[in-house]
Amino acid sequence: NAGVTQTPKFQVLKTGQSMTLQCAQDMNHEYMSWYRQDPGMGLRLIHYSVGAGITDQGEVPNGYNVSRSTTEDFPLRLLSAAPSQTSVYFCASSRWTGMNTEAFFGQGTRLTVV
Amino acid sequence: TQLLEQSPQFLSIQEGENLTVYCNSSSVFSSLQWYRQEPGEGPVLLVTVVTGGEVKKLKRLTFQFGDARKDSSLHITAAQPGDTGLYLCAGGGTYKYIFGTGTRLKVLA
Repeated sequence: NAGVTQTPKFQVLKTGQSMTLQCAQDMNHEYMSWYRQDPGMGLRLIHYSVGAGITDQGEVPNGYNVSRSTTEDFPLRLLSAAPSQTSVYFCASSRWTGMNTEAFFGQGTRLTVV
Repeated sequence: TQLLEQSPQFLSIQEGENLTVYCNSSSVFSSLQWYRQEPGEGPVLLVTVVTGGEVKKLKRLTFQFGDARKDSSLHITAAQPGDTGLYLCAGGGTYKYIFGTGTRLKVLA
């Protein structure tokens, strides 16, 4: 069972570079989301999607773009990397249980912007 | 803006001790979840509580949702080194959850 797969696991970027963090899930979940985790701040929602073709902004969307062309994939694009985007990024895939959602997280991508 | 405050931030205890960590908010949540995260891994869901006053048990872990659905606690009985990790609470509804800042627990053998 692959679950949620994120690539790469580690990345170093120079300020101003762009890149795409990949996220794929094989559980046929409708909901997917991207979080960033910084020391002392918990996880903060960047963007989320409730289905293919539908995305929306979370709490900290600036500097990031997303698209959802398929149910399985939800890539996160950094347009012009800044040192403030140094963080650990987690992708999550969620299913509705009938009363709430159950989220499954990937292993994360540790990004450093120099 | 909904906020979730967790306390304590750090906790280091000996194997066999009991502990309680707290998750508090001024906002009402329709449900609250607890996750455990180990170094280099993503958070893993432990439990979801949805009813005010609800208590759920998962082996040595006891989770309680406050009557007003604004707070929750996690109690661990006879902690073991395998309980070491970052414990996160998350409140919300359908698919958007607000995460707390976490309690980092270390259980010493």
